Amino acid sequence: RKEVEQDPGPFNVPEGATVAFNCTYSNSASQSFFWYRQDCRKEPKLLMSVYSSGNEDGRFTAQLNRASQYISLLIRDSKLSDSATYLCVVTNYGQNFVFGPGTRLSVLP
Amino acid sequence: DADVTQTPRNRITKTGKRIMLECSQTKGHDRMYWYRQDPGLGLRLIYYSFDVKDINKGEISDGYSVSRQAQAKFSLSLESAIPNQTALYFCATSDPYSSYNEQFFGPGTRLTVL
Repeated sequence: RKEVEQDPGPFNVPEGATVAFNCTYSNSASQSFFWYRQDCRKEPKLLMSVYSSGNEDGRFTAQLNRASQYISLLIRDSKLSDSATYLCVVTNYGQNFVFGPGTRLSVLP
Repeated sequence: DADVTQTPRNRITKTGKRIMLECSQTKGHDRMYWYRQDPGLGLRLIYYSFDVKDINKGEISDGYSVSRQAQAKFSLSLESAIPNQTALYFCATSDPYSSYNEQFFGPGTRLTVL
């Protein structure tokens, strides 16, 4: 089993749709969790950190369930500019960052 | 100016050649990493360094070596390049004292081995 797994995608959604991505991790010692966004042939960039209580940043909401070792990202009111690959990342106190394979999102006009 | 830079941005080389990819950062972070990314796969860790002279193997270190002679610089070498090392290579930094612990990435080096 891979250490970090994500929905395989791709997700093709119309503008304005709500879309949710799921991520599971196998290392129960993981302490920090992130969603990164990667545009085609570009470097990954931090979208948001994921906190135990859940957190929201504008149209984006991240949730963490430590008991189930599950992380989610919800995007509301999708924009064309949201089209990218979303990477789930887990780490143990910054010692070792493990990336999921990514889920590709295409927002269609 | 970018905080994490990589040179070269693109490189085409032949099988058996030795090449070096350079990474520099102005963020003042102690920790630096090298990853490779292949189409359809996530980023895979090659080597990482938590301080000058500290070197640690990652998931896929075979065929690669690194050097960390200064806090700001971390170089990756392919001793004898082979075609399956064709990939997109990213350097990253992180600050262990940050509340968020996130990584910051360079723009990537696209390497093609013929």
